[in-house]
Amino acid sequence: SQQGEEDPQALSIQEGENATMNCSYKTSINNLQWYRQNSGRGLVHLILIRSNEREKHSGRLRVTLDTSKKSSSLLITASRAADTASYFCASLPAGNTPLVFGKGTRLSVIA
Amino acid sequence: DSGVTQTPKHLITATGQRVTLRCSPRSGDLSVYWYQQSLDQGLQFLIQYYNGEERAKGNILERFSAQQFPDLHSELNLSSLELGDSALYFCASSTTSGNTIYFGEGSWLTVV
Repeated sequence: SQQGEEDPQALSIQEGENATMNCSYKTSINNLQWYRQNSGRGLVHLILIRSNEREKHSGRLRVTLDTSKKSSSLLITASRAADTASYFCASLPAGNTPLVFGKGTRLSVIA
Repeated sequence: DSGVTQTPKHLITATGQRVTLRCSPRSGDLSVYWYQQSLDQGLQFLIQYYNGEERAKGNILERFSAQQFPDLHSELNLSSLELGDSALYFCASSTTSGNTIYFGEGSWLTVV
């Protein structure tokens, strides 16, 4: 079964606005990762946050991790039309079993 | 370009048939993963190989099998195909640390 669940399932915003996506997971993790998928294409790794980290930045991306709530958020600032894609969180459970993906958030950025 | 190569990109076949999907991992990556992505089930982990040995098994049907060869390429065999097997099948690879995995572009399978 899926370990991660993203929220919302779909998000539509105007170009220049910020987009926030949330993810919840069920068990202890070593790290949590976010991936992006353009329609019908392969997933591309965006950012990884370790279980002992609380926040991480990469360009316009900001990821937070709250292990007490078993949740993470991905913030994309100053969104662009090119950010339109599906975004998946993936948790690496303790024990290093393979990544478990959520069902993703479909982000539409309207120019 | 992730460096992971999958063939074929598209495949249409009839129910009851058997197909083989092929994957070449990134140079130097020892781990290969197979995932199935469908609209209703999301991205499902099927199986992982590490340096030729099965490392982890997920929601892989008994009709499906996989292997990793000495040159580290991998094949996913799907047999007795059903309409519900229509999906996008991804191969991914990673370094020994297994932290970040790199996806291929996928093989679109349509069963008619």
